[in-house]
Amino acid sequence: DIQMTQSPSSLSASVGDRVTITCQASQDISNYLNWYQQKPGKAPKLLIYDASNLETGVPSRFSGSGSGTDFTFTISSLQPEDIATYYCQQYDNPGFTFGPGTKVDIK
Amino acid sequence: EVQLVESGGGLVQPGGSLRLSCAASGFTFSSYAMSWVRQAPGKGLEWVSAISGSGGSTYYADSVKGRFTISRDNSKNTLYLQMNSLRAEDTAVYYCAKATEELIVVVIYDYWGQGTLVTVSS
Repeated sequence: DIQMTQSPSSLSASVGDRVTITCQASQDISNYLNWYQQKPGKAPKLLIYDASNLETGVPSRFSGSGSGTDFTFTISSLQPEDIATYYCQQYDNPGFTFGPGTKVDIK
Repeated sequence: EVQLVESGGGLVQPGGSLRLSCAASGFTFSSYAMSWVRQAPGKGLEWVSAISGSGGSTYYADSVKGRFTISRDNSKNTLYLQMNSLRAEDTAVYYCAKATEELIVVVIYDYWGQGTLVTVSS
């Protein structure tokens, strides 16, 4: 199975800050990489698909980039409602593994 | 409006069985692959299983292979997960998720249910 790692595992930032999360795959997954947001007690929500495509209705402050094994997720200006855990997920190979998550909160 | 409503969770003893259901509405159910994803208490997301729109293709995580069976009834717009030989480590909230394509080639989950809790304990 493809292993996914994320860093950092958690971060605290101020409102308005730029936040960056990285996700690394154990082998080349092209751009078969999605990002999800999960708020406490809620189901995950799709934000970014195919590494860099913004899901309909998702604010433009969210963005993604990368291909191959290294990917980046960015919140350009952190808002209070962005407090959540963010997961990457690969779909290059069945196993469709998720990263361990990055918990984001407000400083 | 797309809706996914899971049911069937509960408390079961180790070695026992349980069948989860996910009732879908608001889209043409047979045109989309579906999956089960679980989350142990306080832990991250773990992909469990996927099934194509027709039901002809299925995949499983190694952790559940041989114990869990995914299926669907397109006439009832319902997804199922039959869970046998349950272990304590299967304790989790189980989510059903809709993919954006019929085949298990593009695995992007655009809608999720609210989840159902399965607790395996004596």
